[in-house]
Amino acid sequence: GESVGLHLPTLSVQEGDNSIINCAYSNSASDYFIWYKQESGKGPQFIIDIRSNMDKRQGQRVTVLLNKTVKHLSLQIAATQPGDSAVYFCAEKNSGYSTLTFGKGTMLLVSP
Amino acid sequence: DTEVTQTPKHLVMGMTNKKSLKCEQHMGHRAMYWYKQKAKKPPELMFVYSYEKLSINESVPSRFSPECPNSSLLNLHLHALQPEDSALYLCASSQVLGNEQFFGPGTRLTVL
Repeated sequence: GESVGLHLPTLSVQEGDNSIINCAYSNSASDYFIWYKQESGKGPQFIIDIRSNMDKRQGQRVTVLLNKTVKHLSLQIAATQPGDSAVYFCAEKNSGYSTLTFGKGTMLLVSP
Repeated sequence: DTEVTQTPKHLVMGMTNKKSLKCEQHMGHRAMYWYKQKAKKPPELMFVYSYEKLSINESVPSRFSPECPNSSLLNLHLHALQPEDSALYLCASSQVLGNEQFFGPGTRLTVL
């Protein structure tokens, strides 16, 4: 299940399940979005990106969906594995700026 | 070479010490970034260099001093830090400003 509180929002799934991590962004001028995975003690690792002229992009086992109407981004991970356990951050870039703004992050815990 | 490297991995320093963090990339990227990350929080942008020139300073206190000696290297000089500056310091690079950023593993800094 998913929990939100004083701690990082956490999504707990079983190995083999499909996972969906959500991100709401606030700036309607954002035109580029990235998902990063950050394992404990490591830097963020690029997973997949999408531009605002698309609503879906697929990678290996991952799919990013973009709904500009409601300013929502999601990351779908198929057949989740214990190695997918990490904190996932979405990041957005405003078309008028060159830097990224990171979302709060979601911790994904995968049980064997 | 497709990675960003950072040294040292860990650093413990007193409030009167002077130390430097180093970041290196050999991907030919012309934009480099320093971020600060506290536990369970997203990375916060500190500085951005584009073509070896400081492009963005996110109102960072002067006890943090960035330097970009050449297109492959980025330093962060530290002096008279406070305990609340303890954090993971991440370096990132991108081909040019606005493209996807690739992160190094970070330097875990503890200020006593």
